[in-house]
Amino acid sequence: KAGVTQTPRYLIKTRGQQVTLSCSPISGHRSVSWYQQTPGQGLQFLFEYFSETQRNKGNFPGRFSGRQFSNSRSEMNVSTLELGDSALYLCASSRSGRDEQFFGPGTRLTVL
Amino acid sequence: DQQVKQNSPSLSVQEGRISILNCDYTNSMFDYFLWYKKYPAEGPTFLISISSIKDKNEDGRFTVFLNKSAKHLSLHIVPSQPGDSAVYFCAASGSGTYKYIFGTGTRLKVLA
Repeated sequence: KAGVTQTPRYLIKTRGQQVTLSCSPISGHRSVSWYQQTPGQGLQFLFEYFSETQRNKGNFPGRFSGRQFSNSRSEMNVSTLELGDSALYLCASSRSGRDEQFFGPGTRLTVL
Repeated sequence: DQQVKQNSPSLSVQEGRISILNCDYTNSMFDYFLWYKKYPAEGPTFLISISSIKDKNEDGRFTVFLNKSAKHLSLHIVPSQPGDSAVYFCAASGSGTYKYIFGTGTRLKVLA
């Protein structure tokens, strides 16, 4: 069974640009969550989607948005990038959203 | 406001001995807890979970204990192996939500 895949794995952008990250969940998983990991901050919850609906959102500015498609694949978008957005962005999938989550390898975003 | 805290940033244990990783939480609405292990350049890997209706859950060398009155959970690894060296995160979710709050992690080093 294929795991969670994230593309791209690495990304370098400059301040003010926007970026779109992609996540393909494990087959049969309908819940996709996104997290930001920065040194010393652990994993910070961004949002969770289930059947194309956002059910929960973390405390991030509106520049961070996401969506989920009918095949459960999800994208995350960050507009007007800031230096502080440099981080590892992790996507996790699960069957229901209230069970164990399986993580992808992450996308390392660097904002210059 | 850090609702899930892992107060020990690092821990060193001899191979074959017990590793005990601790996690404290402040939100009494949390009812589902998970532990993850993370190697560098990889996404977190699910280890074990526990629901608030239980106080203990075992899976092979891993046991999680939950003390609801103290709002404390711990992960015991027995016996510890060098391959267990990684960063360990605890995470908690509240009833009716699909949002996981992660601790900042504890780096475990198992010495051969």
